[in-house]
Amino acid sequence: SQQGEEDPQALSIQEGENATMNCSYKTSINNLQWYRQNSGRGLVHLILIRSNEREKHSGRLRVTLDTSKKSSSLLITASRAADTASYFCATAPGSGNEKLTFGTGTRLTIIP
Amino acid sequence: DAGVIQSPRHEVTEMGQEVTLRCKPISGHNSLFWYRQTMMRGLELLIYFNNNVPIDDSGMPEDRFSAKMPNASFSTLKIQPSEPRDSAVYFCASSLGGGSSYEQYFGPGTRLTVT
Repeated sequence: SQQGEEDPQALSIQEGENATMNCSYKTSINNLQWYRQNSGRGLVHLILIRSNEREKHSGRLRVTLDTSKKSSSLLITASRAADTASYFCATAPGSGNEKLTFGTGTRLTIIP
Repeated sequence: DAGVIQSPRHEVTEMGQEVTLRCKPISGHNSLFWYRQTMMRGLELLIYFNNNVPIDDSGMPEDRFSAKMPNASFSTLKIQPSEPRDSAVYFCASSLGGGSSYEQYFGPGTRLTVT
């Protein structure tokens, strides 16, 4: 079964607005990763946040992690048409020596 | 670096035929992963290798699927015999380290259609 579950399943916003996607998981993790997938392409790694970190930034991306609530959020600020893609969270359990488990993804559409 | 290379990009075959998917990981990466993506089941890990050794093959659907990694720069995923339900996009990914401690770099995928 999928460890990470993204919410919402689909999101449409106007270009320039901020987009927030959430991920919930069930068991303890070593780290949590966010990936982007453009239509017809492979996944691209965005950010890895470890269980002892609470927030991480990369350009227009901000990821938070709340291990007490077993949840993470991905914020994309000042969205662009090129941000249109599916976004997946992936959880790494335990020691980090086990496999990543991907969620079902959020389909983000940026309206120009 | 060219990234992870997969071939073929598209494969159409008839039920019962053998299918071989190929992957070249990023040079210097010591872990390689095979995933399958479908609308119904999402992204599923089939098998992963660390230093050319299979570590976790619990996701391999059945005996019709087999994977090999004869050296650090090449891996194959074979389906024999293929069935229509095997139709999916198959991704290969590689990473610097084992398991899930490192980011994974995905190839462009092979879209397999079994008729």
